Amino acid sequence: KNEVEQSPQNLTAQEGEFITINCSYSVGISALHWLQQHPGGGIVSLFMLSSGKKKHGRLIATINIQEKHSSLHITASHPRDSAVYICAVQYNTDKLIFGTGTRLQVFP
Amino acid sequence: EAQVTQNPRYLITVTGKKLTVTCSQNMNHEYMSWYRQDPGLGLRQIYYSMNVEVTDKGDVPEGYKVSRKEKRNFPLILESPSPNQTSLYFCASSLFPNPPPYEQYFGPGTRLTVT
Repeated sequence: KNEVEQSPQNLTAQEGEFITINCSYSVGISALHWLQQHPGGGIVSLFMLSSGKKKHGRLIATINIQEKHSSLHITASHPRDSAVYICAVQYNTDKLIFGTGTRLQVFP
Repeated sequence: EAQVTQNPRYLITVTGKKLTVTCSQNMNHEYMSWYRQDPGLGLRQIYYSMNVEVTDKGDVPEGYKVSRKEKRNFPLILESPSPNQTSLYFCASSLFPNPPPYEQYFGPGTRLTVT
């Protein structure tokens, strides 16, 4: 069993829909990362958070430390949001433990 | 522009032929790492380095070597590649202050096929 579980594995949506991707982990962490992997393969960091909520444009990330759960929300989704979204947790070291990703496809 | 570069981006090779994938960052980061990404398994750490001349094994180090002679460069070496090393490889770097977290910067990836 992966230490980091993401759901759903695959997600399709119509343009404009509100999207939620979930991430659960099993032990206490120092931080949680949300990453976006484009269809061409490149990975970019979207958020890094250890508590509460962060917002960047149409993207919102939340984390509940007590429940060991984080969500990534996309408001007013657009086809250019189509990508794989990866959750990764970080303990009190440099090491990241990755989830297997959620593949999102947004259709016009 | 702050970036992590990898070369080559694509490589097809044969079993046993030594190869090196280069990784370079221009952000003066102490921490660098190599990952491989395989379908259904997510990203897994191969090796990491906390500074020059300091390297350590990650979760899947077998069949790989690394070196860190300069702060900016962290090459991945496959002495005798095998087909099970066919994968998508990412180099990443981050600043290494205390305490964590550290934002990770990823290279564009190298798609390796070993026949």
